Amino acid sequence: GNSVTQMEGPVTLSEEAFLTINCTYTATGYPSLFWYVQYPGEGLQLLLKATKADDKGSNKGFEATYRKETTSFHLEKGSVQVSDSAVYFCVLGRAGGTSYGKLTFGQGTILTVHP
Amino acid sequence: GAGVSQSPSNKVTEKGKDVELRCDPISGHTALYWYRQSLGQGLEFLIYFQGNSAPDKSGLPSDRFSAERTGGSVSTLTIQRTQQEDSAVYLCASSLESEGNEQFFGPGTRLTVL
Repeated sequence: GNSVTQMEGPVTLSEEAFLTINCTYTATGYPSLFWYVQYPGEGLQLLLKATKADDKGSNKGFEATYRKETTSFHLEKGSVQVSDSAVYFCVLGRAGGTSYGKLTFGQGTILTVHP
Repeated sequence: GAGVSQSPSNKVTEKGKDVELRCDPISGHTALYWYRQSLGQGLEFLIYFQGNSAPDKSGLPSDRFSAERTGGSVSTLTIQRTQQEDSAVYLCASSLESEGNEQFFGPGTRLTVL
């Protein structure tokens, strides 16, 4: 079945540091890939997505590229801010061809950014 | 409000009692999902409704769990004879029909079984 493995945390960085959170997946077909973020006290929200190989999703300075050859979707940001402190989830959608959007979540990575 | 809403936000119950959790999806979203977020299991899929099709119940952990969706809109997740291991945050999400579309999550219901 589908599965997602993401970098274990917690990750602690200083402001303006470079961030990478690794994510690899196992799936059949061509799934959509997402990064969701959960800020303290708030609900899950979509950060970025990619729906096919070599797509790059980007939002709020974060980027992730859908790499089918390495089955990866690593999240990167060049300069983190204190406000980026949150839990980040790498998420797998079911392969295309149906309208079935069940998501499979990674275990989440806690990011803390210090001033 | 335009977002997914859930009620109650918190529920404390005694072991063995039944609970009902409610989800109001975004108007016009035909797909509705329930997930559970717990410390031991992370975030896991429970059940999925799409339009008038039969729901996918493959993620429900036991027959004590059931869900319905009335009129293609509001959904209720029912847990019968609650156990302590049911303690978790129950999240509801909705989306448009397409597989690639974003799922919008509600704030969740935190269930504590004493």
